[in-house]
Amino acid sequence: DQQVKQNSPSLSVQEGRISILNCDYTNSMFDYFLWYKKYPAEGPTFLISISSIKDKNEDGRFTVFLNKSAKHLSLHIVPSQPGDSAVYFCAAKIETSGSRLTFGEGTQLTVNP
Amino acid sequence: EAQVTQNPRYLITVTGKKLTVTCSQNMNHEYMSWYRQDPGLGLRQIYYSMNVEVTDKGDVPEGYKVSRKEKRNFPLILESPSPNQTSLYFCASSLLGHYQPQHFGDGTRLSIL
Repeated sequence: DQQVKQNSPSLSVQEGRISILNCDYTNSMFDYFLWYKKYPAEGPTFLISISSIKDKNEDGRFTVFLNKSAKHLSLHIVPSQPGDSAVYFCAAKIETSGSRLTFGEGTQLTVNP
Repeated sequence: EAQVTQNPRYLITVTGKKLTVTCSQNMNHEYMSWYRQDPGLGLRQIYYSMNVEVTDKGDVPEGYKVSRKEKRNFPLILESPSPNQTSLYFCASSLLGHYQPQHFGDGTRLSIL
């Protein structure tokens, strides 16, 4: 039972354009969401997060949007750069379950020069 | 430098030969966790630990053991490895707290023949 789903295994965009990565979840108890970025031969690194009490969080070129009624979140990267090419994982937490994370399958983003 | 260190990074071994993957963190984190990454499945949690001598099962614990005798170390033990445990493994750590992001090691690629 995949509670966090990233339905697009891959996404290709041109440098300078917007990248939009999507994530859907089924468990309404999730109240904190994170995006991790992973380069080949490295571990995932934390990118940005959002609490369920917000609908948007911005950090430089990265913005995460949360639509609780649709159980959907998205990561926007503007403008996209070739160095953004990586696998992006969406993850979710429930406060009462401690520090446990539930991850999506990941989306491979390729930014073409 | 703050980091999570896993060893070995790569290992090819045979069915039934006990192996241990070590994980060490230098950030004084209470929480540590093991994940496996498989194509199309994202990262799935194997075991986690909230503190010394406190461990609990994640989503896919079968065939694995862990121990937490010291705060900094969290080894993953495969007593009798099987081919279905061929995977990419990540160790992670964080401070306790709902909004604390997890820090990941660079991964261990295990091949069980």
